Amino acid sequence: QSALTQPASVSGSPGQSITISCTGTGGDVSTYDYVSWYQQHPGKAPKLIIYDVSNRPSGVPYRFSGSKSGNTASLTISGLQAEDEADYYCSSYVTATTRVFGGGTKLTVL
Amino acid sequence: EVQLVESGGGLVQPGGSLRVSCAASGFIFNDYAMHWVRQAPGRGLEWVSTIHWNGVIIGYADSVKGRFTISRDNAKNSVYLQMNSLTTEDTAFYYCVKDSPYSSYPPRYFAAWGQGTLVAVSS
Repeated sequence: QSALTQPASVSGSPGQSITISCTGTGGDVSTYDYVSWYQQHPGKAPKLIIYDVSNRPSGVPYRFSGSKSGNTASLTISGLQAEDEADYYCSSYVTATTRVFGGGTKLTVL
Repeated sequence: EVQLVESGGGLVQPGGSLRVSCAASGFIFNDYAMHWVRQAPGRGLEWVSTIHWNGVIIGYADSVKGRFTISRDNAKNSVYLQMNSLTTEDTAFYYCVKDSPYSSYPPRYFAAWGQGTLVAVSS
């Protein structure tokens, strides 16, 4: 149950695009199209923003998008806004009784 | 509206035990797998345990296996985490999390989260 690998931090200016990567360890990201992403603001519970690699739940802005290539999934935020400053976590299905998270990425909007 | 309300957190000494609970509402509870996810202060998310609708299919992270026990009571729309042999490494916010629906099998993403309950292990 090794954690997925994410960069510790990324930053961007308002209006720019940023991408956060999430690299699997085998048996997770590369095996299934079941990667999800979560946004967490300070002092708040995490919130689902992407599921099944690239699907957005209702209410999540279009500027959030996801993709996957091989063993690495990516979250892209286009048209960065101040309220996007938060921690972001990827997660992958492993088995019916096991999940795994990435270590988290702190996004700073400059 | 989906609501997940955790309770039972608190301060416990190393080696002690604690049970946290989660009361669910706003959805058909026994149609969903449930999870506990924890987050140590200033650290990342860690999946802890999963329990499927029937209470039989269960999984644990290696870090808690043999010490923690997850259970559910579908009649009470509640899920529990019994934590034994606690260490300072178990200090964290414990979140109750609802899975994605079985209708799009397999359940595979964390669809809704509670606000968490803090478990602090310290002497």
